[in-house]
Amino acid sequence: DIVLTQSPLSLPVTPGEPASISCKSSQSLLHTNGYTYLDWYLQKAGHSPQLLIYLGSNRASGVPDRFSGSGSGTAFTLEISRVEAEDVGIYYCMQALQTPYSFGQGTKLEI
Amino acid sequence: EMQLVESGGSVVQPGGSLRLSCAASGFTFDNYAMNWVRQAPGKGLEWVSGINGRGSSVYYGGSVTGRFTISRDNSENTLFLEMDSLTADDTGIYYCVKRGRGSQPLWGQGTRVTVSS
Repeated sequence: DIVLTQSPLSLPVTPGEPASISCKSSQSLLHTNGYTYLDWYLQKAGHSPQLLIYLGSNRASGVPDRFSGSGSGTAFTLEISRVEAEDVGIYYCMQALQTPYSFGQGTKLEI
Repeated sequence: EMQLVESGGSVVQPGGSLRLSCAASGFTFDNYAMNWVRQAPGKGLEWVSGINGRGSSVYYGGSVTGRFTISRDNSENTLFLEMDSLTADDTGIYYCVKRGRGSQPLWGQGTRVTVSS
């Protein structure tokens, strides 16, 4: 099974400053079809997970451009260029390369 | 607009059974693999089960194998999760998730399952 390891697990930030979350996979997430099956989600308190980035670097519809995803193979990063108060919540990476799909432990972003 | 709407969650006694449904709309349902993901109270996300577009291949997480059955009715654009021998560890919110090869994933809002006597 593929294991995803996120860091840090807690991320205190100041509004207007950048933030970065790492997600490392135990195996490459590159499929033979050329897609990299790594997504990023934000779960705000009391809400369902909200898709931010899919296939490693594609921003989901309606997601502000301050969010970006990068990386390849086994190492991925979610970056927020300028954190806003509404970005508070828990961030998860998820791999959908092979079943069982798996998630990182979650990173709690706090202001 | 693409949408997934889960239903069927409720309070059930340990050892009981429950059937969850997920109604899909706004996309060609049988073109996409579908999944169930759950979240226990205060915990992270856990993939539960998946099924391919035709329903011919199914997959399960280790904690539910032998107890849960995933299926789909492509004529009704609906995904199901039959859950048997439920325990307190199965308590949580269950999400329906569309995951195509190169397309944007889609999640429903979830349905709550509580296993308690």
